[in-house]
Amino acid sequence: RKEVEQDPGPFNVPEGATVAFNCTYSNSASQSFFWYRQDCRKEPKLLMSVYSSGNEDGRFTAQLNRASQYISLLIRDSKLSDSATYLCVVSPDQTGANNLFFGTGTRLTVIP
Amino acid sequence: GAVVSQHPSRVICKSGTSVKIECRSLDFQATTMFWYRQFPKQSLMLMATSNEGSKATYEQGVEKDKFLINHASLTLSTLTVTSAHPEDSSFYICSVIWGARDEQFFGPGTRLTVL
Repeated sequence: RKEVEQDPGPFNVPEGATVAFNCTYSNSASQSFFWYRQDCRKEPKLLMSVYSSGNEDGRFTAQLNRASQYISLLIRDSKLSDSATYLCVVSPDQTGANNLFFGTGTRLTVIP
Repeated sequence: GAVVSQHPSRVICKSGTSVKIECRSLDFQATTMFWYRQFPKQSLMLMATSNEGSKATYEQGVEKDKFLINHASLTLSTLTVTSAHPEDSSFYICSVIWGARDEQFFGPGTRLTVL
């Protein structure tokens, strides 16, 4: 079983739409959770950390459900520039400085 | 601005040759750097942890004699793919820990194609 599982998509949505991605992780001892964004043939870039209480950064909202070992990312008012692959990342460490486990990513395309 | 750089960004080589990839931290010292590999449509997989002044720690299934890591200074780690074969063709990315929240920042990656 993979450490982190994501729906690969692709998700094709019109500009302005709201889209949600889900992710599950297998290690119940996981401590840190992140969403990274990866553009085609580029390196991953940290989008946001995910906290137990849920957190929001502009149009992006992340939620964590430890009991279900489930993480979500919600993007509101999608922009063309949001088109990318979104990686769910989990770590057994408190800070996530080491031992990152990546999902295969969910591909999003925002259509004009 | 960028936190870490990699060189080269792309390399094509013949089977059997060795390829060296450099990872540099920019304007700060990195005692630890990480090397990842990403095959097409697959997730990033940690290959090894590079430690300045000591031996690298390799993940299970990664051959340390094939993927040589040297972290000789606080700003530079190198990954050498020895006797490369077509199955080694992949996207190799390094990362460093940086910032107040100890987050991993990734280099721009090196795309290796072995013919």
